[in-house]
Amino acid sequence: EVQLVESGGGLVQPGGSLRLSCAASGFTFSSYAMSWVRQAPGKGLEWVSAISGSGGSTYYADSVKGRFTISRDNSKNTLYLQMNSLRAEDTAVYYCAKDKLPPPVVATPFDYWGQGTLVTVSS
Amino acid sequence: IQLTQSPSSLSASVGDRVTITCRASQGISSYLAWYQQKPGKAPKLLIYAASTLQSGVPSRFSGSGSGTDFTLTISSLQPEDFATYYCQQLNSYPLYTFGQGTKLEIK
Repeated sequence: EVQLVESGGGLVQPGGSLRLSCAASGFTFSSYAMSWVRQAPGKGLEWVSAISGSGGSTYYADSVKGRFTISRDNSKNTLYLQMNSLRAEDTAVYYCAKDKLPPPVVATPFDYWGQGTLVTVSS
Repeated sequence: IQLTQSPSSLSASVGDRVTITCRASQGISSYLAWYQQKPGKAPKLLIYAASTLQSGVPSRFSGSGSGTDFTLTISSLQPEDFATYYCQQLNSYPLYTFGQGTKLEIK
C-alpha cells in the first residue's frame, strides 16, 4: 500500500525557515517524480515544486523560486522541501504527491497524496 | 496556462446530473485531470487524460473534452459526492496549474 506521510510543519516567523519531510512507502520511490502542492486556508490548490526520480531535475513555481529548495534521499525514501525567507502568504497546508506513472511518461497526474502538514507564517 | 472553472459553486440534489466546466487559456490537447477534495482531506484523483477513469472511481463520474474546453460530469449525484472539484492541466509538465475549484453543495 502506497503511503506518503508529511512532517515538519509548524509556526514560524516571517523571514524564518522550515524543512518539510515526506516519508514514502509501498512503491519504488526512486522511480517516480514527486511534487509539493500547497493550499492556503480556504483557498485552492497551488503546485509548488517537483523533482525527478533521480533528483537531478528540479522545478519551482515562480512564487517560491529562489526561496524554496526541493530535494530527495532515495536511500531513505524521503522527499524534502527546504523553505527559507518565509512570508505570510506561504501559510498553507503542504502536501507531497506522487506521479502516477514513471518516466518516460510525462503529463502524468498525481495518484497518491499525503495527509498534509500545516505551515503558519506569523509573528 | 490558466484554468478557469465554472461554476465556482453549485447546489444540487441527490440523483441530479451535474456538469462542471474547465477552460484552458491555451490548447492543452487531452492533458487534463480532475480531482475531488473533501474538507480536511487530500485531493483524490478521479480522471486523467481528460476522460480516463482512475481505478476504483465509480462509473457515474466521466470526463470529456480536448484542446481548451473540458467537462466533468456526475451522472447521478450520491451523498458522498458533495465536495470541491479541481481540474489540473498536465500540458506544461511538471509545472502544473489547477483551476480555482468548484464547490458542490447539497440543495
